[in-house]
Amino acid sequence: AQSVTQLDSHVSVSEGTPVLLRCNYSSSYSPSLFWYVQHPNKGLQLLLKYTSAATLVKGINGFEAEFKKSETSFHLTKPSAHMSDAAEYFCVVIGGFKTIFGAGTRLFVKA
Amino acid sequence: DGGITQSPKYLFRKEGQNVTLSCEQNLNHDAMYWYRQDPGQGLRLIYYSQIVNDFQKGDIAEGYSVSREKKESFPLTVTSAQKNPTAFYLCASIPGSGNTIYFGEGSWLTVV
Repeated sequence: AQSVTQLDSHVSVSEGTPVLLRCNYSSSYSPSLFWYVQHPNKGLQLLLKYTSAATLVKGINGFEAEFKKSETSFHLTKPSAHMSDAAEYFCVVIGGFKTIFGAGTRLFVKA
Repeated sequence: DGGITQSPKYLFRKEGQNVTLSCEQNLNHDAMYWYRQDPGQGLRLIYYSQIVNDFQKGDIAEGYSVSREKKESFPLTVTSAQKNPTAFYLCASIPGSGNTIYFGEGSWLTVV
């Protein structure tokens, strides 16, 4: 069985401070893991993906994520938040052609 | 360029009418998916298809139907049995390697 848990439904940070969006997963397969971002009234944009190569994955817009197999986690981080980062973020697992979406984390960025 | 095309982008439907959302991909992917997203919510799986002429129900298939007569096409019909169809619908596909997902731009359906 596969599952994805995004541990926070909402995260609020001040502009210029670090961002941490948490994602835990379970999978019977060797999973591929993704983070997608969705801005209001827009489609999904790929931020980064892990597919069994380097465990620290760098994505677009300064985001990165670390795959930790022992902790079954794939947390998304960014050193310094920008106002334009305010959006909904989804952690996604693919294993055995099944795709599982996390419930999403809404990121608020305060000026 | 390869990708997924969804149409229409915006659609208004009267209550009691069926409507079909188109999803076409030229990526030669076997697996295709339909998701529904409600405001402030995550994505929920409606139907998926791993090969031509075969498809499976997802978590919220009631009131929806699909077909997969061609590899590149996976249309979704929202029937009058769907009690609350107003939502954002996303189509996706996955290659045989299973190491990435491609999404369409989405279709906004509003029941008036």
